[in-house]
Amino acid sequence: AQKITQTQPGMFVQEKEAVTLDCTYDTSDPSYGLFWYKQPSSGEMIFLIYQGSYDQQNATEGRYSLNFQKARKSANLVISASQLGDSAMYFCAIGGRGGGSYIPTFGRGTSLIVHP
Amino acid sequence: DVKVTQSSRYLVKRTGEKVFLECVQDMDHENMFWYRQDPGLGLRLIYFSYDVKMKEKGDIPEGYSVSREKKERFSLILESASTNQTSMYLCASTTGDASEHYGYTFGSGTRLTVV
Repeated sequence: AQKITQTQPGMFVQEKEAVTLDCTYDTSDPSYGLFWYKQPSSGEMIFLIYQGSYDQQNATEGRYSLNFQKARKSANLVISASQLGDSAMYFCAIGGRGGGSYIPTFGRGTSLIVHP
Repeated sequence: DVKVTQSSRYLVKRTGEKVFLECVQDMDHENMFWYRQDPGLGLRLIYFSYDVKMKEKGDIPEGYSVSREKKERFSLILESASTNQTSMYLCASTTGDASEHYGYTFGSGTRLTVV
């Protein structure tokens, strides 16, 4: 069984500052992927970043980076230089194996509000 | 642009009605998923399918069934809708191995209200 824990229901950050959204995970799979998604108020789920369990380097995508600490089973999302448009729900997910596919398990999400 | 399309953005149905939520993807993905999303609970997996006519129960399958007659279409069925099934329903798809390039592609969601 897989589990994702996001302990921050809500976060506030000042525009142009960096913010870290926490995510810890649990899995018995030796190989897995970690994902972060953004969900603005419109409801669509936007794929942000991916980290493979065997990747040596932390993933980065523009202003997003994933602080992957495998021994601690954490996969925190760092957003640098926050923008007003970053205000949204953020979900961490882990993909494990089942039925021949990666089946993602999601956390409960963190609501991020960026203040001007 | 790759697409997962859910047929309805908003639906209002009566208790006891049979409800069909349709999801179509144009990416030739093998795997398709149905989630429901409720505030404070995140996304919970209802059913998934890794091939045509194949289906597997997720974490909360009770009260739901699914159909996958064609690779591109995955339907969620509420046999007899109840008020506790009022929720946002999200469909997603992926290839056989979710990658760092695409992750899982989601539809825009169907907000279902059962009255």
